[in-house]
Amino acid sequence: LAKTTQPISMDSYEGQEVNITCSHNNIATNDYITWYQQFPSQGPRFIIQGYKTKVTNEVASLFIPADRKSSTLSLPRVSLSDTAVYYCLVGDMDSNYQLIWGAGTKLIIKP
Amino acid sequence: GAVVSQHPSWVICKSGTSVKIECRSLDFQATTMFWYRQFPKQSLMLMATSNEGSKATYEQGVEKDKFLINHASLTLSTLTVTSAHPEDSSFYICSASWGNQPQHFGDGTRLSIL
Repeated sequence: LAKTTQPISMDSYEGQEVNITCSHNNIATNDYITWYQQFPSQGPRFIIQGYKTKVTNEVASLFIPADRKSSTLSLPRVSLSDTAVYYCLVGDMDSNYQLIWGAGTKLIIKP
Repeated sequence: GAVVSQHPSWVICKSGTSVKIECRSLDFQATTMFWYRQFPKQSLMLMATSNEGSKATYEQGVEKDKFLINHASLTLSTLTVTSAHPEDSSFYICSASWGNQPQHFGDGTRLSIL
């Protein structure tokens, strides 16, 4: 099982770039890496997904090194509304098999 | 796109009653739907995975007779908590996906059993 490890919490300030790293040392060949954002009493919201190298969309970037044993979610110029819990999910998207959720990182953005 | 609607958003009921939660994919056909349970300040716990037209696959420790899952169509899955008791009180969340696409989540159902 591709167990994931994330920092429990992080603090940052408005306008800063925030990087959250997830470790997944025994990631399998068919596993993808997906990041979600969750606000209290809401379902998680999809942020970004990748398999290797770098992926960028309108809200974030995802950096995955060649060995794929970790991944880093990068949020550019955060605002107060980015305060949330961020989850790293590793699993085989083709079979939906053994999707393992990390414990989540509580990100607090300060003014 | 990829909108998932979950209903009801919250429910309070007496111990011993059964509660049904609906999960609908509004703008796509979901070949797979997932049901999660989340306790306060904890991560999501996968309860079961269901594919349209087939029986759900339950995670270890989840009672299939307690948590009945039906995935009768490509846009609807239901979770029924049978004979609910206070220990079943939790936040239940569904998600849906198709092919190798990421999961898209509903907004969850807060279930409180008195």
